[in-house]
Amino acid sequence: AQSVSQHNHHVILSEAASLELGCNYSYGGTVNLFWYVQYPGQHLQLLLKYFSGDPLVKGIKGFEAEFIKSKFSFNLRKPSVQWSDTAEYFCAVTQGYQKVTFGTGTKLQVIP
Amino acid sequence: DSGVTQTPKHLITATGQRVTLRCSPRSGDLSVYWYQQSLDQGLQFLIQYYNGEERAKGNILERFSAQQFPDLHSELNLSSLELGDSALYFCASSVAPTYNEQFFGPGTRLTVL
Repeated sequence: AQSVSQHNHHVILSEAASLELGCNYSYGGTVNLFWYVQYPGQHLQLLLKYFSGDPLVKGIKGFEAEFIKSKFSFNLRKPSVQWSDTAEYFCAVTQGYQKVTFGTGTKLQVIP
Repeated sequence: DSGVTQTPKHLITATGQRVTLRCSPRSGDLSVYWYQQSLDQGLQFLIQYYNGEERAKGNILERFSAQQFPDLHSELNLSSLELGDSALYFCASSVAPTYNEQFFGPGTRLTVL
């Protein structure tokens, strides 16, 4: 079965620090990849997605992610975080028509 | 606001009881997904419906069931509730049956006492 690993469960950064959150999946075939964000007390919303094409995907709020097929990874990055980026981040993977699998999430705390 | 609505926002009930959670998808979205989010299990996909039919099944317990009605709203029924069912239940919707961008509702927080 498909599995998605987010190894960083809790990350604490100071404002202006760079961010990289890891996401690895287990399936070797064609996948669709997503990063969602859940701000405190709010619902999940899409940050960015990858279906095909350029493996470097740019999303909202300055986030980007790089799909590295050989490493089964889709890491999320942001060059300079802000206090408002404090949230929980979820990686999600689906294989074509199959059900989606979410990672366990990474809680990011940005200290002003 | 994602356009997905869920009712109620909060629900407190006792073990052994049955509850129904309701979800209205975004206008034009035919697919509805249900998720359970708890501290120990994270975000778990439960079930997906597309245009009234079950499309995909995840980690949904036999005590749970769902349906999507002709007007496309969906209900998640949880029965014989246990303490461990306490969680946040999210509904999401998307246009197509295949997974693309999903729009999440605000969730229903279920507390089982």
